[in-house]
Amino acid sequence: NAGVTQTPKFQVLKTGQSMTLQCAQDMNHEYMSWYRQDPGMGLRLIHYSVGAGITDQGEVPNGYNVSRSTTEDFPLRLLSAAPSQTSVYFCASTYGQGNTEAFFGQGTRLTVV
Amino acid sequence: GNSVTQMEGPVTLSEEAFLTINCTYTATGYPSLFWYVQYPGEGLQLLLKATKADDKGSNKGFEATYRKETTSFHLEKGSVQVSDSAVYFCALSDRGFGNEKLTFGTGTRLTIIP
Repeated sequence: NAGVTQTPKFQVLKTGQSMTLQCAQDMNHEYMSWYRQDPGMGLRLIHYSVGAGITDQGEVPNGYNVSRSTTEDFPLRLLSAAPSQTSVYFCASTYGQGNTEAFFGQGTRLTVV
Repeated sequence: GNSVTQMEGPVTLSEEAFLTINCTYTATGYPSLFWYVQYPGEGLQLLLKATKADDKGSNKGFEATYRKETTSFHLEKGSVQVSDSAVYFCALSDRGFGNEKLTFGTGTRLTIIP
C-alpha cells in the first residue's frame, strides 16, 4: 500500500521554465489537495479537488494550475516558474467528508533560480 | 477567515521533560482540530484530532483538549523522548468539509536532547 506518492522529490528550475509535480494515491480517496510549505508560514493551500473533474482554488493559487482527470492523480503545473515559487510542496488526500484523516506525500523540494 | 496561531519555536527540552505547545484558533462555526507531526525528511502524519468541544484527542502519549471557551487546542506530553524530535503543526478544518481544506499554524520545531 503506497499511500500518496509524489514525484520528483527534488527539482531545480530556471525562472520561466514550466514543470509538473506529480501526485498519485492508491487509496481510492475522493478528495485531494496541494499545499506549499514555507519557513515561518506553515502550510498553505494552493488548490484542491473533491472528485474527478472538480477542482477549486485555495489560499495561494496564482501561478499554479491543476486538473483531476482520474481519482488517483492530481498533478500541479507551474506554467512559468518564479523564484517566489521556491518551496516544499505537499500533496494530500482524504477519503471524503466526515473528518477522516488526511494522508500526505513526502513532499517535493523545488528551487527556482 | 480561519486562522491558527501556534507557539513560536524552536523548543529544546531534555528527555523526560514535560511538553506543552500552545495553539489557538479563529474560525467561523465549529471546526475540527488536529495536530500533525513531521519527522525529518517525511510528510506530515496525523498525531491526534478532536471534532467537538471538550473532546480530548490522544496518541503516543500526546494529548490535546478542544477548548471552545478559550479557542485553544494545546498539545501536551508528560515525558518526552528523543524520538519525539520533529516539527508539530496545529490545524483546523471547517465542519462539513472533508479535510481537503486544512488551515495550518506555522509549526513548532521540537528537539529533545538525551
